[in-house]
Amino acid sequence: AQSVTQLDSQVPVFEEAPVELRCNYSSSVSVYLFWYVQYPNQGLQLLLKYLSGSTLVKGINGFEAEFNKSQTSFHLRKPSVHISDTAEYFCAVSALYGGSQGNLIFGKGTKLSVKP
Amino acid sequence: DAGVIQSPRHEVTEMGQEVTLRCKPISGHNSLFWYRQTMMRGLELLIYFNNNVPIDDSGMPEDRFSAKMPNASFSTLKIQPSEPRDSAVYFCASRPGQGRTEAFFGQGTRLTVV
Repeated sequence: AQSVTQLDSQVPVFEEAPVELRCNYSSSVSVYLFWYVQYPNQGLQLLLKYLSGSTLVKGINGFEAEFNKSQTSFHLRKPSVHISDTAEYFCAVSALYGGSQGNLIFGKGTKLSVKP
Repeated sequence: DAGVIQSPRHEVTEMGQEVTLRCKPISGHNSLFWYRQTMMRGLELLIYFNNNVPIDDSGMPEDRFSAKMPNASFSTLKIQPSEPRDSAVYFCASRPGQGRTEAFFGQGTRLTVV
C-alpha cells in the first residue's frame, strides 16, 4: 500500500518570498509522483509530475519539485510566490506495480496563504 | 471536451435516505476514481476503476457505500442509508492511461446529510 504525508497543513508566506511545501511518501513498490493544486470550490489541477529521469521537474506557474529517492520525498518549491498562488496543494503517488497498480493516493494537503 | 461532469453539484438529504452521485468521465479515458474530501480526513480514495472493472475498493467506508461503472461513459456512487457523517465533497476523476498520465477532476458534489 502507498501513503503520503504532507508535513505542513498550513503555510503562510509573504508575496515574492520563496516557499517550499514538503511531501514524503511510503510505498513497497515504485511510484509515480504528482503535485496538484485546488482553488476554492474547484476540483484539482495538475501542477507537475515525476515519472522517471531527471529528479528535478518543472511545472506550471513557476513551480518545481525535486524527487529524492533515498529520503522518499518530493518537495514542491517556488522561488517567488504571488497572491494568486493562494490555494491548497496536494501531493500524490501512483503505484507502478502490484494489486493496486495505477491507483492515485493523495496526502492531506497544504494550504498556502500568500499575504501582501 | 467538457471535462469530467458530476451531478448534482449540491445535494441535501435527510439521514436514512438513499443518495446517488453521478459521474461522466472524459471520453476515451479508461481509469476512473471516486474521492471523498473532508476537513478532517483530506482527500480519501474510495474506489478506482480501470476499464470499468474495480481495481481497488479498499477505501470504501462500509457496506452502505457502493459504486458501479456499467460502461465507459458513466459511473455512480450510492450511499444507502445516508448518515450525517457522510457529509463531504465527493470528487470523480478520470485518466486516459494507467499511472503515468494526469487525472482530470470534476467540480465535485457537495453532499449534506441532515
